[in-house]
Amino acid sequence: RKEVEQDPGPFNVPEGATVAFNCTYSNSASQSFFWYRQDCRKEPKLLMSVYSSGNEDGRFTAQLNRASQYISLLIRDSKLSDSATYLCVVPPYSGGGADGLTFGKGTHLIIQP
Amino acid sequence: NAGVTQTPKFRILKIGQSMTLQCTQDMNHNYMYWYRQDPGMGLKLIYYSVGAGITDKGEVPNGYNVSRSTTEDFPLRLELAAPSQTSVYFCASRPGLGQETQYFGPGTRLLVL
Repeated sequence: RKEVEQDPGPFNVPEGATVAFNCTYSNSASQSFFWYRQDCRKEPKLLMSVYSSGNEDGRFTAQLNRASQYISLLIRDSKLSDSATYLCVVPPYSGGGADGLTFGKGTHLIIQP
Repeated sequence: NAGVTQTPKFRILKIGQSMTLQCTQDMNHNYMYWYRQDPGMGLKLIYYSVGAGITDKGEVPNGYNVSRSTTEDFPLRLELAAPSQTSVYFCASRPGLGQETQYFGPGTRLLVL
C-alpha cells in the first residue's frame, strides 16, 4: 500500500450538497492526521487536524478510523468557495519527530452553481 | 506578520545553470522544510532543518543543497539545473516538537529549459 492514497477526483458537486472523500494511510504508528486545502497555484493551508476519533469545525467534519487506517473529510452545505484540492497529510513518525509531512496527491473538488 | 516568504516567485533557468531559492520566516520557528510539487502530484520533501546549523535529507534530495546559518533563513541551492527540476517549490516552517502544523510560503515556480 502506498503511504497516503486519495481519490484524485474531480468530484463535481452542486452547491449546497454534502460531499465526502476518504484517504487511506499505511503507517499504523501515526498518531495525528491533517487535511490541508490547496487552491489553484497557491500554497497548502491547514484545514483541520485529527488527533483521535474525529474533529468538527462548522461545515467540516474529519473522522479517523484507525482499524481500517483511513480518515475522511465531510463537507456539508457546500459553497462555491469550497472548490479546491484537499490534501490528506500524515506525519511519517509516531510522534515527536522533526521529519516532514507525507502528502497525498489530493482530491480535486469542484462546487457547481 | 509576514509568516513565510519566498523569492523569487517565478524563474526560468537554462539547463546547467544554478540558482538559490530564498526562504525566510519571521515566526521564530525552529523547524524548516523544502518541498517540491510536480503537476498532479503530492508534495515531496527535499530537505529539512531542526535549527541553525542542522540540516537533513528528505525523500528527494539529489540535485539540491541547503544551509541554515540563522533561524530565519533556509535557502535551497540548485547547482546544475535539469529539466526534471521543473516544479513548484514550497518552503514551510513549524515551531518545533509537539507543534505539528506547518506554515507554507507562497511557492517558487521554476521552469528549466
